[in-house]
Amino acid sequence: EVQMVESGGGLVKPGGSLRLSCAASGFTFSDAWMSWVRQAPGKGLEWVARSKTKGEGWTTDYAAPVRGRFIISRDESGNTLYLQMNSLKTEDTAVYYCTTDLSPKYLWGQGTLVTVSS
Amino acid sequence: DIQMTQSPSTLSASVGDRVTITCRTSQSISSWLAWYQQKPGKAPKLLIYKASSLESGVPSRFSGSESGTEFTLTINSLQPDDSATYYCQQYYAYPLTFGGGTKVEIK
Repeated sequence: EVQMVESGGGLVKPGGSLRLSCAASGFTFSDAWMSWVRQAPGKGLEWVARSKTKGEGWTTDYAAPVRGRFIISRDESGNTLYLQMNSLKTEDTAVYYCTTDLSPKYLWGQGTLVTVSS
Repeated sequence: DIQMTQSPSTLSASVGDRVTITCRTSQSISSWLAWYQQKPGKAPKLLIYKASSLESGVPSRFSGSESGTEFTLTINSLQPDDSATYYCQQYYAYPLTFGGGTKVEIK
């Protein structure tokens, strides 16, 4: 069974940093595209960042609002996806979901809440 | 980026009604579209993938269809438990993009 469990969310001040983790199981982690998607309170869904497969050199890309501040990475040995979030802004407040493209399906974790507030 | 236009933004219907939600994409996405149901405080739940394939465990009253760049989620015989917000998502190209959501209320 495919499972993704996020952790690391919490309250952080503007300008601060936080690292989210996503423990993945039930599929070949190194062969799957992984992404973070977020949802601000009462708002819609927004893609944040993507990590391609090992065979593709773990290539990454980012949405414009987070480019240069967030870094997506993986620990292949631990089947864990990370999102390092730096220079956080109040508008980064959201539930962050770990997601994966296991064609033909697109699957989601349960999310972790990040609150950026002074 | 592929634009997603979802309609309506809200709808109110009675138990037993047939409900239709539409998502239009700005270009062809070769059926790479998913529909999700989201209840407050919960993660999106996959209902339909690849435009018309029903996810395991999802009631058969949910169905998806496509016609070109127009995709439809139909709920036959609406049930009280179907009260939720529904989203479409294309996963044909990055950045992934989503419809704005449809809030379904039960009269």
